[in-house]
Amino acid sequence: AQTVTQSQPEMSVQEAETVTLSCTYDTSESNYYLFWYKQPPSRQMILVIRQEAYKQQNATENRFSVNFQKAAKSFSLKISDSQLGDTAMYFCAAHTGTASKLTFGTGTRLQVTL
Amino acid sequence: DTAVSQTPKYLVTQMGNDKSIKCEQNLGHDTMYWYKQDSKKFLKIMFSYNNKELIINETVPNRFSPKSPDKAHLNLHINSLELGDSAVYFCASRATSGTHNEQFFGPGTRLTVL
Repeated sequence: AQTVTQSQPEMSVQEAETVTLSCTYDTSESNYYLFWYKQPPSRQMILVIRQEAYKQQNATENRFSVNFQKAAKSFSLKISDSQLGDTAMYFCAAHTGTASKLTFGTGTRLQVTL
Repeated sequence: DTAVSQTPKYLVTQMGNDKSIKCEQNLGHDTMYWYKQDSKKFLKIMFSYNNKELIINETVPNRFSPKSPDKAHLNLHINSLELGDSAVYFCASRATSGTHNEQFFGPGTRLTVL
């Protein structure tokens, strides 16, 4: 079974600053995918960034980047130049071929302040 | 041109009633899911269908019965609703032949049982 752990229930960052959200996971699979999803107050689940486990290079999407440490089973999300619109719940999730499902962490509530 | 749609978005009903939530995707995906998000925002897989065939059935009460009439639709019927069924239910879809294993989520259905 796979597990995903987010140890930061809430975080706050000032506009234009950088913030890092932590995530660790555990799986016995060798082939898996990791994701960060954003859920704003509208409750829509929005994909922020994805990482294939077989790729060593960290994924980047504009202001969002990950630090993928495969040996440590760590997958943190860095948000640069934070904007008010980044205020949301952020969920880390893992997908393996065998399970064919997403396993989510408990989420981190991020508040971006002026 | 919504990718994954759910109806209704809000559902308020009395204990003991039977209700259905419908989901449709126009992405041509072959796998669809139902997730439940509880009051603490925790997301958990309930069911998954691949080409109309049930492939994941987590420990969900028998009162919940998914139905997939075709690859583009996955409905969720709930019998004898209980207070604990109050949650947000998300439908999602994925292409198993895709390279990223990304799941696309519907807008969610907030179910309130009184």
